[in-house]
Amino acid sequence: EDKVVQSPLSLVVHEGDTVTLNCSYEVTNFRSLLWYKQEKKAPTFLFMLTSSGIEKKSGRLSSILDKKELFSILNITATQTGDSAVYLCAVFQGGSEKLVFGKGTKLTVNP
Amino acid sequence: DADVTQTPRNRITKTGKRIMLECSQTKGHDRMYWYRQDPGLGLRLIYYSFDVKDINKGEISDGYSVSRQAQAKFSLSLESAIPNQTALYFCATSEPDRAHEQFFGPGTRLTVL
Repeated sequence: EDKVVQSPLSLVVHEGDTVTLNCSYEVTNFRSLLWYKQEKKAPTFLFMLTSSGIEKKSGRLSSILDKKELFSILNITATQTGDSAVYLCAVFQGGSEKLVFGKGTKLTVNP
Repeated sequence: DADVTQTPRNRITKTGKRIMLECSQTKGHDRMYWYRQDPGLGLRLIYYSFDVKDINKGEISDGYSVSRQAQAKFSLSLESAIPNQTALYFCATSEPDRAHEQFFGPGTRLTVL
């Protein structure tokens, strides 16, 4: 059975802290791994990773993929209250061309 | 104007009622998807459509049906709603050659009493 597992499920930090969110997967016909941020409602796209070892960065957020060990991490440095959200990891599956989502990590950043 | 819209945004209904959730998009994307989200369970795929004539079941299609009326419209129906269908429902769209990058609507919060 295809699965995407995220950890931790929830995390509470203070502004300025650095956090690391984890995503491991067992998905047949892997094509890419994606991170989404979900605040109040709809998830919004953050990163797509296809190759091992190449870091993607956007401001204070960065992510990397390890295709040998089947996991990805999402780092957020100097966290702000606006980073509070649920972060979703998903794997895009070839063949069916579907996304398989993890359950998400709920991040709360306190002032 | 939003690119992906969903109606209604909130709905409360009773067990056994038929209900339809509608999704419209102005992005011109061929592919459309319906997901449900339950607390602590992430997003699960109900149905997806690659074009008007290509509709496929997702991982949790039982109890649901869909209709792709046009490229821009994809409706989800609950023929006889039951309480465990209470959830947040999202529609999403994508382009065929960037199917990994999906654009989500604002969601419909459905409560079945």
